[in-house]
Amino acid sequence: DAMVIQNPRYQVTQFGKPVTLSCSQTLNHNVMYWYQQKSSQAPKLLFHYYDKDFNNEADTPDNFQSRRPNTSFCFLDIRSPGLGDAAMYLCATSGAGVIRGAEAFFGQGTRLTVV
Amino acid sequence: ELKVEQNPLFLSMQEGKNYTIYCNYSTTSDRLYWYRQDPGKSLESLFVLLSNGAVKQEGRLMASLDTKARLSTLHITAAVHDLSATYFCAVEGYGGSQGNLIFGKGTKLSVKP
Repeated sequence: DAMVIQNPRYQVTQFGKPVTLSCSQTLNHNVMYWYQQKSSQAPKLLFHYYDKDFNNEADTPDNFQSRRPNTSFCFLDIRSPGLGDAAMYLCATSGAGVIRGAEAFFGQGTRLTVV
Repeated sequence: ELKVEQNPLFLSMQEGKNYTIYCNYSTTSDRLYWYRQDPGKSLESLFVLLSNGAVKQEGRLMASLDTKARLSTLHITAAVHDLSATYFCAVEGYGGSQGNLIFGKGTKLSVKP
């Protein structure tokens, strides 16, 4: 059974039109991550939540926002998608801090296309 | 700032051969992870390494960690085509950066008959 679920798997959005990607987890992990992965590149950490504490990477554009209304759900909001934001967006969860060295479990990703 | 470097970035090898992928990181950490990614797919966890000298093996893959040298290796023994994928190492930040999981650029492995 999938433990980290991302919806939708594929998202097409118009240039400049706000879009929200969602992630849910059944693992009760305290840490949730959002990564952006462009073709043939490494996953790039955008931000992560450590419980309710939001940690933004210094080079994450303001265009990217996140919400975590409860332990199970986390959302990635792209306020005004540009062509350069087309990528695979990966959500991951981890028991880091609670379980020492807990590995991160990844969802299947959402592939975002901007037209 | 935690930085993670992998090499090589591309690796083409013949079936049956052995090779090692290296992962260096820039700041103190004793939590290192190896992931596999197939084209168009998400990341699959391979190994979790939590202490200096940790060694783990699964099939033809063996991973080790030297926290003093800030180096992890992923050794491939007698490669087979099914191992073709991109392999990423990832390091978790220490102390105040706990939970901050940073990836290397990945090693794209192609195993040819």
